[in-house]
Amino acid sequence: QSVLTQPPSASGTPGQRVTIYCSGSSSDIGSNHVYWYQHIPGMAPKVVIHRNNQRASGVPDRFSGSKSVTSASLAISGLRPEDEADYYCAAWDGSLSGFCVFGTGTKVTVL
Amino acid sequence: QVQLQESGPGLVKPSQTLSLTCTVSGGSIDSGIYYWTWIRQPAGKGLEWIGRIYASGGINYNPSLKNRVIISLDMSKNEFSLKLNSVTAADTGVYYCATGRGALTAWFDPWGQGTLVTVSS
Repeated sequence: QSVLTQPPSASGTPGQRVTIYCSGSSSDIGSNHVYWYQHIPGMAPKVVIHRNNQRASGVPDRFSGSKSVTSASLAISGLRPEDEADYYCAAWDGSLSGFCVFGTGTKVTVL
Repeated sequence: QVQLQESGPGLVKPSQTLSLTCTVSGGSIDSGIYYWTWIRQPAGKGLEWIGRIYASGGINYNPSLKNRVIISLDMSKNEFSLKLNSVTAADTGVYYCATGRGALTAWFDPWGQGTLVTVSS
């Protein structure tokens, strides 16, 4: 099964900007919207970006998303300690009978 | 708004069947609005989509799990269920039910709180 590729880790000091990249293929990111999830251990994942670049309800404008062809990115500006979490990209893959793929996940550490 | 709650055994023996139920409140499972979804996080790994079911009965499974998975709806109880057979230690992890918001999307909101399932003898 294909997965979307993300770097395992990213870090920054408070106030800095961190960007996480997500690489896919023509059948997933290349054909469908990208979604980003924030996962704090012990809690349910929470969507932060939907439809490539739309912030979910209640998500601060420090979070932004973009997509280009078969890749996507999530940027967190003005990094805050509470942003420390695992972040996953996700997209629908239209091949076979259709299924969802998640990224490998990126651990964001606030130094 | 819709709320989800997983339930089921926290310990399953190898080679047996893992069975979980997701109880939906605040909305009807047969409304035809949402795709009722199972997602898991295997121990030490990332999120993995298991599959989903729609009120009409349409089902999609993860190709890597489809030979072992059955997802079903119980309209009378406003619940949907997951059965994963022939489990191994690799199936240990946290299992989430979630509300899928569209046919060709990876938009899941809300999620249940998750339930830990351990496969061990």
